[in-house]
Amino acid sequence: EVQLVESGGGLVKPGSSLKLSCVASGFTFSSYGMHWIRQAPKKGLEWIALIYYDSSNKYYADSVKGRFTISRDNSKNTLYLEMNSLRSEDTAMYYCAKGHYSSYVMDAWGQGASVTVSS
Amino acid sequence: DIQMTQSPASLSASLGETVSIECLASEDIYSNLAWYQQKPGKSPQLLIYYASSLQDGVPSRFSGSESGTQYSLEINSLQPEDEGDYFCQQSYKFPLTFGSGTKLEIK
Repeated sequence: EVQLVESGGGLVKPGSSLKLSCVASGFTFSSYGMHWIRQAPKKGLEWIALIYYDSSNKYYADSVKGRFTISRDNSKNTLYLEMNSLRSEDTAMYYCAKGHYSSYVMDAWGQGASVTVSS
Repeated sequence: DIQMTQSPASLSASLGETVSIECLASEDIYSNLAWYQQKPGKSPQLLIYYASSLQDGVPSRFSGSESGTQYSLEINSLQPEDEGDYFCQQSYKFPLTFGSGTKLEIK
């Protein structure tokens, strides 16, 4: 069974940094692209970033480009999202998700990590 | 960016009924469309990809179709567990974008 467990969320002040982790199990992590998606309170879904299985390619939403960095450690089955220069509008539940084998869709999601940016 | 216009924003239907949710893409996405279900307090789950391919484990009462840049999710024989939010997502071009969601209430 695929499991994705996020951690590292919390309450931070505007302008600060935070790093989320997502530990994967139940599948061959090193063979799949991985995504981060966020959902602001009572709002819809916003795709943030994708990293290829071998880290050869990374894609970002314009809203986080230059501030957030997606990375992975295949030896640890772990996905990361480093978030810098956080803003109040970054407040959201952050989900990691496993990429589908043949499409840029997300076929398994974690339970989410809550990030609140507030002074 | 590709805009996904989803409708309706909410709907209410009775057990056993059939409902349809639509997503209109702002440009051709060549069937690269997925549907997700998000139950209250839970993370989203993939229902359909490539417009009409059913994800493993998803009941066959869920189906997807397309007509040009208009995509539809149909749910037949509504069950209580179908209550939740539904989102479409285009997977054709970066940035990947979602529709605004449809809240489905089972009466």
